[in-house]
Amino acid sequence: DIVVTQSPLSLPVTPGEPASISCRSSQSLLYSNGYNYLDWYLQKPGQSPQLLIYLGSNRASGVPDRFSGSGSGTDFTLKISRVEAEDVGVYYCMQTVQAPFIFGPGTKVDIK
Amino acid sequence: QVQLQQSGPGLVKPSQTLSLTCAISGDSVSSNSATWNWIRQSPSRGLEWLGRTFYRSKWSNDYAVSVKGRITINPDTSKNQFSLQLNSVTPEDTAVFYCARGNYNRSNALYHGMGVWGQGTTVTVSS
Repeated sequence: DIVVTQSPLSLPVTPGEPASISCRSSQSLLYSNGYNYLDWYLQKPGQSPQLLIYLGSNRASGVPDRFSGSGSGTDFTLKISRVEAEDVGVYYCMQTVQAPFIFGPGTKVDIK
Repeated sequence: QVQLQQSGPGLVKPSQTLSLTCAISGDSVSSNSATWNWIRQSPSRGLEWLGRTFYRSKWSNDYAVSVKGRITINPDTSKNQFSLQLNSVTPEDTAVFYCARGNYNRSNALYHGMGVWGQGTTVTVSS
């Protein structure tokens, strides 16, 4: 199976400031069609996970443009341009290039 | 708007079978542009994708290695739902279980993420 890691695992943030989370895969997530099969999800406290980014850099419907995804191959980054209080929760990346799909361990984002 | 509604028991005895159902509204379990997934979450395992079922001219399944041999995910076209069965459960299978829809673009079949999730079901394995 592909191994997915994230860093940091904990990220205290200041509202209005930027934040960045790294996700790395043990194998390339670049598929033959030229797309990177890497999703980002946010799980807010007490809620089901919600999709933020798919195919590495595509924002899901309704996701604010302060969220952006980048990267290719084995290294990916989720950036929040200006953190808001509602962005607290645990962020997960997940590889979907091949089954079984694998989630990263999660990055807990909270307010300083 | 697609919605998923989970149902099933919250307590299962060790060695028995865990069974959950995910009812679909706003889409069809037989859709050629969706996959139907089960995920679980526990403090020790984090988020763990368990498997999926999907229809592309025929029904197919994929399962996680960790539960292969114990897991079955089945579609039910008559009720427009899909189910999870996990056999021979132990306390290590205690988790919150989620169903989720994998979305694919209808025109080019490009994957668009798991954008719809069920509400989650807490399942405890205990005698």
